[in-house]
Amino acid sequence: QSVLTQPPSVSAAPGQKVSISCSGSRANIGNSYVSWYQHRPGTAPKLLIYDDDQRPSGIPDRFSGSKSGTSVTLDITGLQAGDEADYFCGTWDTSLSAGVFGGGTKLTVL
Amino acid sequence: QVQLQESGPGLVKPSQILSLTCTVSGGSINSNTYYYSWIRQSAGKGLEWIGRLSTGGATNYSPSFQSRVTLSVDRSKNQFSLKLTSVTAADTAVYFCARDRQGWRSTSSGYLYYYNMDVWGKGTAVTVSS
Repeated sequence: QSVLTQPPSVSAAPGQKVSISCSGSRANIGNSYVSWYQHRPGTAPKLLIYDDDQRPSGIPDRFSGSKSGTSVTLDITGLQAGDEADYFCGTWDTSLSAGVFGGGTKLTVL
Repeated sequence: QVQLQESGPGLVKPSQILSLTCTVSGGSINSNTYYYSWIRQSAGKGLEWIGRLSTGGATNYSPSFQSRVTLSVDRSKNQFSLKLTSVTAADTAVYFCARDRQGWRSTSSGYLYYYNMDVWGKGTAVTVSS
């Protein structure tokens, strides 16, 4: 059971927009910035978003993050086939003094 | 460009010790800016944070692994390591190492902790089986 809660899967057609939610508590999302990671099987996970809504260099602006209270959302617009992957949210839990992740959301581009 | 590479045995017997090493290339591990973490992913499951350490030796461990895990660093080799004792089949997973950025940041509504992993290894698969 993951500390952060994500939907197991989402899907949308190419060119469309998809949103992936991640909910937690005051001890984690409420006290810490959240990151999003993209993971394709067999590869290294990639940092997509950090500090709730910041993109590392090289990440297209089709990917955006937002936060409201103890929940965060990753939006992906202009979906492409190459966006098919698992997406994880992650942050620090100040109560556990540990990193925590969501269970991951599998994105399918129809 | 910094890269991380995990290495270690792909097969470990139950009750024995799982030992993995992460080699940092393209940069020095001797930086106070970063921590280094271990994360794993079991088949069909999400990412599971195991623990992290600084190059100065400070550690944080997940409560789920606290009693069985030890992280260490070898600055001379630009490596850090994971030891997990008393393994069972439940420890079968792909193990990743990652570089962390972390700290406190002042905001208009108080302090928030920032924590993200900007560089990851590709992972190494470990099976626990007799």
